[in-house]
Amino acid sequence: SQKIEQNSEALNIQEGKTATLTCNYTNYSPAYLQWYRQDPGRGPVFLLLIRENEKEKRKERLKVTFDTTLKQSLFHITASQPADSATYLCALDPYNTDKLIFGTGTRLQVFP
Amino acid sequence: NAGVTQTPKFQVLKTGQSMTLQCAQDMNHEYMSWYRQDPGMGLRLIHYSVGAGITDQGEVPNGYNVSRSTTEDFPLRLLSAAPSQTSVYFCASFRQGGGYTFGSGTRLTVV
Repeated sequence: SQKIEQNSEALNIQEGKTATLTCNYTNYSPAYLQWYRQDPGRGPVFLLLIRENEKEKRKERLKVTFDTTLKQSLFHITASQPADSATYLCALDPYNTDKLIFGTGTRLQVFP
Repeated sequence: NAGVTQTPKFQVLKTGQSMTLQCAQDMNHEYMSWYRQDPGMGLRLIHYSVGAGITDQGEVPNGYNVSRSTTEDFPLRLLSAAPSQTSVYFCASFRQGGGYTFGSGTRLTVV
């Protein structure tokens, strides 16, 4: 069964709009959650880490929220650009053993 | 700063052959991991190390061996390649509780 759920359907948005990606998980109480970007043929690149006691974290045009009650994280890219087109992965450490498990990712396409 | 270096980038093996995927990092990270990535399956952890001389199994360890003799290197050995091991393999290094730095991957095909 899927332990981390990300929307497998691609998200297509227009340049300048805000993209919102969702990550849901079950049965865990992770101390933190991470988001990565992956381009075709490349390894994932770390973007943001948010801890369980942080509701929101920002980095430039990126914003992540973490709701431990809903077991959900939202990843926002504001003022999106075509260069933001990639697959975005969420990851968490379910048993706090530094062994990350990953969602299958959501592909984002930003059109000019 | 090279980060995490994986070699080779591409490899084709015949069923039953063995090989070693190399991974080296220059960030002095204690922790290193090997993942495989398959379509629709996401990244799955194969083996993991918390420091030189210490390794542990991940979700899908069967058919793979690892050792960690130095902080920098974490090779992954395929003992007897099978078509089910056709995948893209990623090595990562990280500090405890921090973000992972991934290599660029090795695309392996077993025929």
